[in-house]
Amino acid sequence: SQQGEEDPQALSIQEGENATMNCSYKTSINNLQWYRQNSGRGLVHLILIRSNEREKHSGRLRVTLDTSKKSSSLLITASRAADTASYFCAKGNAGNNRKLIWGLGTSLAVNP
Amino acid sequence: GAGVSQSPSNKVTEKGKDVELRCDPISGHTALYWYRQRLGQGLEFLIYFQGNSAPDKSGLPSDRFSAERTGESVSTLTIQRTQQEDSAVYLCASSVGTATNSPLHFGNGTRLTVT
Repeated sequence: SQQGEEDPQALSIQEGENATMNCSYKTSINNLQWYRQNSGRGLVHLILIRSNEREKHSGRLRVTLDTSKKSSSLLITASRAADTASYFCAKGNAGNNRKLIWGLGTSLAVNP
Repeated sequence: GAGVSQSPSNKVTEKGKDVELRCDPISGHTALYWYRQRLGQGLEFLIYFQGNSAPDKSGLPSDRFSAERTGESVSTLTIQRTQQEDSAVYLCASSVGTATNSPLHFGNGTRLTVT
């Protein structure tokens, strides 16, 4: 079964605005990964953050991890219409190095 | 280099027929995963291959589902006697190491429709 959820489930913003998506989890992790999915097909890896890291950046993306709250956030700054997609977080559990635990995703719509 | 390739991209089949889905991972990637994604849902783990180790089949939903992989090459996912509830996108992913240490590279999936 999946643990943790992304919120919000859906987000609609205007181009240029920032988008923040959150992900929570229940058990200890060794890393957490964010992926983007366009049109219900293949996922693209965005950022991997390890449990001993608190923040990572990649271009307009910023990921934070708060292990005390068991939560992570993905911030997309200065959003573009091309950022419209579903965003998933995947948790790498400390006790099982094979499987990622996937949330249900946040559907982001960036309106031009 | 080439990414993960899946075929066919779309498959429509009649209930009760068998289907075979194919995944070509990135060369050199020892780990290979199959996931199922129903419409509007997250990813459901099906099976994991790591090199020549015994696969982790714990996610296969029934004995109608099976998968094979020879070494670090192509994998096939077979669904026998398909049911309408099998309709979904089947995604394959590969990685250099284990999923919890290295990012997954996904194919574009096979959209299976069982009529």
